[in-house]
Amino acid sequence: DAMVIQNPRYQVTQFGKPVTLSCSQTLNHNVMYWYQQKSSQAPKLLFHYYDKDFNNEADTPDNFQSRRPNTSFCFLDIRSPGLGDAAMYLCATSEQGKREKLFFGSGTQLSVL
Amino acid sequence: AQKITQTQPGMFVQEKEAVTLDCTYDTSDPSYGLFWYKQPSSGEMIFLIYQGSYDQQNATEGRYSLNFQKARKSANLVISASQLGDSAMYFCAMRSNSGYALNFGKGTSLLVTP
Repeated sequence: DAMVIQNPRYQVTQFGKPVTLSCSQTLNHNVMYWYQQKSSQAPKLLFHYYDKDFNNEADTPDNFQSRRPNTSFCFLDIRSPGLGDAAMYLCATSEQGKREKLFFGSGTQLSVL
Repeated sequence: AQKITQTQPGMFVQEKEAVTLDCTYDTSDPSYGLFWYKQPSSGEMIFLIYQGSYDQQNATEGRYSLNFQKARKSANLVISASQLGDSAMYFCAMRSNSGYALNFGKGTSLLVTP
C-alpha cells in the first residue's frame, strides 16, 4: 500500500564517500521533492522536480545533487558527505495543483562516520 | 519571504481533552495555502489538514480543525478528544500559490497522557 517509498530506511556512509538515496512513488505525481530534516528541526527543502524540470533552492549546497530518470523515481546524491549532512532525508510528491498536499515517504536516516 | 512560527516547543494534554497548537505566519504573497502535518517517532510526515487563504470557512477533518484568522495571520490546529496515538511532532507549513515549495515551522511536540 506504500505510495512513496524510500530506501534504505537507514544509511551509514563515511566522511567524503559519495552516497545515493532512493525514492519511488506509485501515485504518478508530477512533482517530487527532497527535504533535509536535522534532529529536532523543521524539514528544509533542498530541491524539487516538476516533471523533469529541476528547481534548486538557493541555499542548497552544491554537494547535493538529484536525478529523476522517470516519473516514478528520484534520487538524492551527496557527492562528499560531511558530518553536518547527517540527517533524515524525506522524499515527497504532489500533484500538479498548488493546493495539493504533499505525500511523504518514511525517510532515510543518514549517518556520516 | 515566508516565515512560519510555532511558539510552543512542547505541549501536554490529557486523553479525551481538546488541545490547540499555535501557528503564526508572515508572507507577502496574496494567495497561499496553510497545512498541518503530524510526524510520529517513525519519521513519516502525515498530512492532517489544509486551509486556503481565500477559503471562507475554517477547514475541518474529523477530529482536526484549523482556526484560521487571516487578519492576525494565525492558523492554529485544534485537536478534539485527544487520543494516546496523537502523541507526535506537529508541523505547521505554508506554500505560496505561485510556487511549489512547502515551508515548515519548527514544530510542536505533543504528548497525550492517560
